Amino acid sequence: AQKVTQAQTEISVVEKEDVTLDCVYETRDTTYYLFWYKQPPSGELVFLIRRNSFDEQNEISGRYSWNFQKSTSSFNFTITASQVVDSAVYFCALKSGYNFNKFYFGSGTKLNVKP
Amino acid sequence: SAVISQKPSRDICQRGTSLTIQCQVDSQVTMMFWYRQQPGQSLTLIATANQGSEATYESGFVIDKFPISRPNLTFSTLTVSNMSPEDSSIYLCSVSETGSTDTQYFGPGTRLTVL
Repeated sequence: AQKVTQAQTEISVVEKEDVTLDCVYETRDTTYYLFWYKQPPSGELVFLIRRNSFDEQNEISGRYSWNFQKSTSSFNFTITASQVVDSAVYFCALKSGYNFNKFYFGSGTKLNVKP
Repeated sequence: SAVISQKPSRDICQRGTSLTIQCQVDSQVTMMFWYRQQPGQSLTLIATANQGSEATYESGFVIDKFPISRPNLTFSTLTVSNMSPEDSSIYLCSVSETGSTDTQYFGPGTRLTVL
């Protein structure tokens, strides 16, 4: 069975603090894809990153970084020096299984960045 | 990535009526998907819409309630039929440009309130 767990329902930080959003996934497949999306209050889901199961290299994009660890089935997302504009709901998602079209979304983590 | 638009962006409807949501993409895409996001919840896949064939519905969703059309490679519609307050949600269209292993990009969503 495929499953994504985002245990942090809501996180509040003060601007310029670093924050890590946790994502733990479950799948028995050896080939799978992991994603992070950002959903600001406007409602649109913005694609942030895609990682396949064969690429465990961590990735950095500006203030954003992702730590993929197959040993712990985790794909965590860190925002460095957070800004108010980072306030949003962040979703981690998994694609695997017999229906490779289907996304399995986590429940989302709401990040509040206060000035 | 593809640019996706949805109409209407929001609507308030009366119980028992139907609403058709349109999704337009600025390029030809292989796969189109419809999701529902109930208030404060994660995303749930309603169905996958392929051009030239019947939509494939997920468990818990039926064609009579959510009929979908996909007349070409750039356009799809989702109808929410015989609405009840429980249908109040954000409905999101997403697309995958080249196939099942690809990233899904999301439209801005349609916020539906049923009174």
